[in-house]
Amino acid sequence: QQQVKQSPQSLIVQKGGISIINCAYENTAFDYFPWYQQFPGKGPALLIAIRPDVSEKKEGRFTISFNKSAKQFSLHIMDSQPGDSATYFCAALGSNDYKLSFGAGTTVTVRA
Amino acid sequence: GAGVSQSPRYKVAKRGQDVALRCDPISGHVSLFWYQQALGQGPEFLTYFQNEAQLDKSGLPSDRFFAERPEGSVSTLKIQRTQQEDSAVYLCASSQGAGNTEAFFGQGTRLTVV
Repeated sequence: QQQVKQSPQSLIVQKGGISIINCAYENTAFDYFPWYQQFPGKGPALLIAIRPDVSEKKEGRFTISFNKSAKQFSLHIMDSQPGDSATYFCAALGSNDYKLSFGAGTTVTVRA
Repeated sequence: GAGVSQSPRYKVAKRGQDVALRCDPISGHVSLFWYQQALGQGPEFLTYFQNEAQLDKSGLPSDRFFAERPEGSVSTLKIQRTQQEDSAVYLCASSQGAGNTEAFFGQGTRLTVV
């Protein structure tokens, strides 16, 4: 069964708007939470990642918010641009593990 | 090479045919992973190599799936007697050390079984 639940399945945002994608997990052994960006016909590329010792991490227009007690984390894309149109996957990894558990993905469409 | 390279990019196989998918990881990367990505889904783990040793093959769907990395570099995923449910994108990823925190993915091989 899916260990990481991701929502929404898809979203449409206007250029300059904020895209928000949410993920939830159950396994408390997870301690590394990356986000991947995937364009059609390409493999997933690591975008940004967070560990549970911080509640927020920002890199450019991309921010991860992490709520350890709720076992939830989210990706915010600020000032969304048409070039951000892609599928985004959240994932999780345990400290002594190597198997990434992926969410089902969110297709983001940014309208110009 | 600059990144993880997979070949072929696309493969159409008749049901029952055997296929072999190749992965060239980033040079010097110790860890190599295979994932299966069904249409509209996230990648699912298939198998993990550390150098030439296959440490985990728990994600392989059946005994028709076989992976090898004989010299600790190039890897091949082989699927025997392909079935329609094998249709998916097969992704290879590599990372410098043990583990998966900085894994780089290839573009994948899209397998269609007809």
